[in-house]
This record gives sequence, C-alpha cells and structure tokens, in this order.
Amino acid sequence: GAVVSQHPSRVICKSGTSVKIECRSLDFQATTMFWYRQFPKQSLMLMATSNEGSKATYEQGVEKDKFLINHASLTLSTLTVTSAHPEDSSFYICSFLTGESSYEQYFGPGTRLTVT
Amino acid sequence: GQSLEQPSEVTAVEGAIVQINCTYQTSGFYGLSWYQQHDGGAPTFLSYNALDGLEETGRFSSFLSRSDSYGYLLLQELQMKDSASYFCAVSGSGATNKLIFGTGTLLAVQP
Repeated sequence: GAVVSQHPSRVICKSGTSVKIECRSLDFQATTMFWYRQFPKQSLMLMATSNEGSKATYEQGVEKDKFLINHASLTLSTLTVTSAHPEDSSFYICSFLTGESSYEQYFGPGTRLTVT
Repeated sequence: GQSLEQPSEVTAVEGAIVQINCTYQTSGFYGLSWYQQHDGGAPTFLSYNALDGLEETGRFSSFLSRSDSYGYLLLQELQMKDSASYFCAVSGSGATNKLIFGTGTLLAVQP
C-alpha cells in the first residue's frame, strides 16, 4: 500500500508559539489530502481538505488563520498551528487519496502535539 | 447534522466472531468505509461498501443496508492483534471524497 510519513512524530511547544507539521507521500502522488485531529479515545475529526495548488477548504468551526495548510506539491502538505494554546494539544493526522481509488485514504502515522 | 453511531466498546475472546454496528445519518452518501486504528497509530483501510450487501475480505466482512442507513463490520477467527479501535466512515460530501468518521469502537480481544 501507499506510504505516508509525518514529521515530527511528537512535539512539545510553549503556549503562543507556532508549530509546523509535515506530511509526505513517499511512493505516490496525490492531488487531494486531508488533515484530521483526534483527541484521546475519540474519533477523527476532519479539519480541512486541500488540493495541490489551491487553497484548503476548512470544515465548519476550524479557524483557517490558526491552522494554516499549504499543499505545496503532489507529495507534500504542511499544517502550521499558529499561536498554539494548551487546548490545541491533540493528535494530528494527515491522509491522501491516491487517485487509484476514490474512497481509500492512506493515513500518516500522526503527530502528537503537546502545548504547555 | 451528520452523525455516525457505533458501540463504544466490545469485548470478545480469541477465535470468536464479533460484529460492530454503525448507524449513520448524513447529508449525502456515496459509501461506507471501515478503518482500523491501533493505539497511537495510523488508521488503516479495511473495507468499503457502496452498494447493499456483504463484502468479504479474508477474516473481515462488511455489510451495508442503504435503506436502513446501517452497516456492520464482521470479524471472524479473532486474534489478539485485532485488539484496536474500529471506525466506520461515510464518504458523501461533494467531489472531495472526504470522510466523516463514526464515534469508534474499541475492540478488546481476550485470550
């Protein structure tokens, strides 16, 4: 199956700082990708959908100025959490659609963000 | 609103069969997927149903009834490694094929 990497796997930052999370597809190109957040023992909540070369589409309730998404290429997307607060502490996961399937998403291993 | 409901926890023994149900209420519907997620790991795709009926993939099967807005994942010959969270997810909002995930079911397989 397709391989997706995320970096960093864990990050601890101080309140008020910004954190960038990278998501890469290692063996395929994807035009569409997604960012999710997941609180402990809860479901995955879709934050935004992004297409390469165009602006991300954010889900209702997700602040686009706080969660900056840049889909720079067919293999790289970044999520920047700006002015992080403790309530932003969560597990952030990206996923890609490969184009071979319209429904099977390939997920990255996730990034555990802790804001102190 | 959109909602996908699943039982929060299920416990079963090795070798048994377990069924995880999912009822959904969404604004659009193209299909129902199932994903497995081990603790702290990435969700991995298990199956997809776009049409009514049963899809079988090895020890795992998935069923869909569109008229009832209901589906289930059936796991047979349970193994310890099947202990994980299982999520149903609906794809059905526009051309982006985004997924709306269910509440998740934590499966504990006991020896």
